[in-house]
Amino acid sequence: DTAVSQTPKYLVTQMGNDKSIKCEQNLGHDTMYWYKQDSKKFLKIMFSYNNKELIINETVPNRFSPKSPDKAHLNLHINSLELGDSAVYFCASSQLDGGYTFGSGTRLTVV
Amino acid sequence: QQQVKQSPQSLIVQKGGISIINCAYENTAFDYFPWYQQFPGKGPALLIAIRPDVSEKKEGRFTISFNKSAKQFSLHIMDSQPGDSATYFCAASIIGTYKYIFGTGTRLKVLA
Repeated sequence: DTAVSQTPKYLVTQMGNDKSIKCEQNLGHDTMYWYKQDSKKFLKIMFSYNNKELIINETVPNRFSPKSPDKAHLNLHINSLELGDSAVYFCASSQLDGGYTFGSGTRLTVV
Repeated sequence: QQQVKQSPQSLIVQKGGISIINCAYENTAFDYFPWYQQFPGKGPALLIAIRPDVSEKKEGRFTISFNKSAKQFSLHIMDSQPGDSATYFCAASIIGTYKYIFGTGTRLKVLA
């Protein structure tokens, strides 16, 4: 059973399109995250949710909108995709401030 | 103040050697320091973590050394194996803030 699963694994889309990435965790963790890893492998936090409540929005453009329907799910919707959005997006979860468990990533390519 | 500086950017080690990766931070409020290992095409996986009340933590071949006064911490991989070839990230956080600051990563290659 995959602890943190995200879909799709790969996403290729044209500029201007809208796309969503889904994430689910079966660890019973209270906190979920979205991180962006750029081409230089740098990992930067985008959002944190604790028990479905947004607690961190790290100056991410409004085109990115996370949604947490329950504490096991955290989805990411991206409007009007731009070339600069190309990256690998990782979902993660943790209990309180314990270690993160990451998903395997979604590689988004905007053409 | 929020940065975590990681070095080296890449490292090549012979099988059986010791791999050492260093990180430095400025914010003295950080109180949790994990290391993550990432293989190509996979998400980072927690390797080992330390809190500032101890100077060293060892798990198998992996050891974190922590120097609070110098605001530095390092990962030592003893008896490095080709299977250890991966990218390693240090991170720092303030417990309760739900946010890690990651280092820039070190690509380790262990030669057979």
